[in-house]
Amino acid sequence: ETGVTQTPRHLVMGMTNKKSLKCEQHLGHNAMYWYKQSAKKPLELMFVYSLEERVENNSVPSRFSPECPNSSHLFLHLHTLQPEDSALYLCASSQLIGPYEQYFGPGTRLTVT
Amino acid sequence: QQQVKQSPQSLIVQKGGISIINCAYENTAFDYFPWYQQFPGKGPALLIAIRPDVSEKKEGRFTISFNKSAKQFSLHIMDSQPGDSATYFCAANTDSGNTPLVFGKGTRLSVIA
Repeated sequence: ETGVTQTPRHLVMGMTNKKSLKCEQHLGHNAMYWYKQSAKKPLELMFVYSLEERVENNSVPSRFSPECPNSSHLFLHLHTLQPEDSALYLCASSQLIGPYEQYFGPGTRLTVT
Repeated sequence: QQQVKQSPQSLIVQKGGISIINCAYENTAFDYFPWYQQFPGKGPALLIAIRPDVSEKKEGRFTISFNKSAKQFSLHIMDSQPGDSATYFCAANTDSGNTPLVFGKGTRLSVIA
C-alpha cells in the first residue's frame, strides 16, 4: 500500500450505532488530519494531530471522537450521529503542520439513516 | 483574517478555452499558496503551488498568478480539456507558523466539448 488509505470506503449507519473510520499513511509523515466534505462546507477541518498529539479541534461535536495511536494511524470514532453528519470524511497527512503538501486519502462516504 | 475567499463557485468552459479561478486573502503573513485538484471519488491532490518571491509560476497548462499588493492569486488553465473537469481548491499558509492550510470553498470546473 502506498500513500494514504481509508477504510471503509462506504458506511451506512443508524443514529444509534457506533462505528469507526480508519486512516493509515505510508509516507512517514508526522501530521494527520480529519476533514468533513459536504456540499455546504467543501473542506471543513475537524481535527489535527502532530506526533500523535491533538493540536486542533475545530468545535467538533463530541459524537466525533478522534484517536491517533501512532504517527501512521488515525481513527475517527462515531456514535449517536445525526443525519446532517452524512458526508465524505477525508483523512490527510503531511510531513509537518504548516506549508507542506497534504496527501489525502480517497475518503469514507458516510450515510446516517 | 484566516479565510481564503474563492470564486467562482462553479465554472463551465469550452474545450480549448482558458479557465480562471480566483482567490483572495486578508492575512498578510500568508506566504505559501497551493492549489489542489479533486476528481470525483478521490481526495484532493496538490496541483501547483507558489511562494510570493515570484509573481507567476507555470507547470504545463497550469499557471498561478500572484498579486501581493492586491492579496490575490489565481489559477489559469490554458487549453482546457474535459479531463480537467474537477473541483479546484486554493489554499494558503505561512512559513513561520505551525498552523494547517486554510482552504477556499472550491470551484467546480466543467470543461465541455
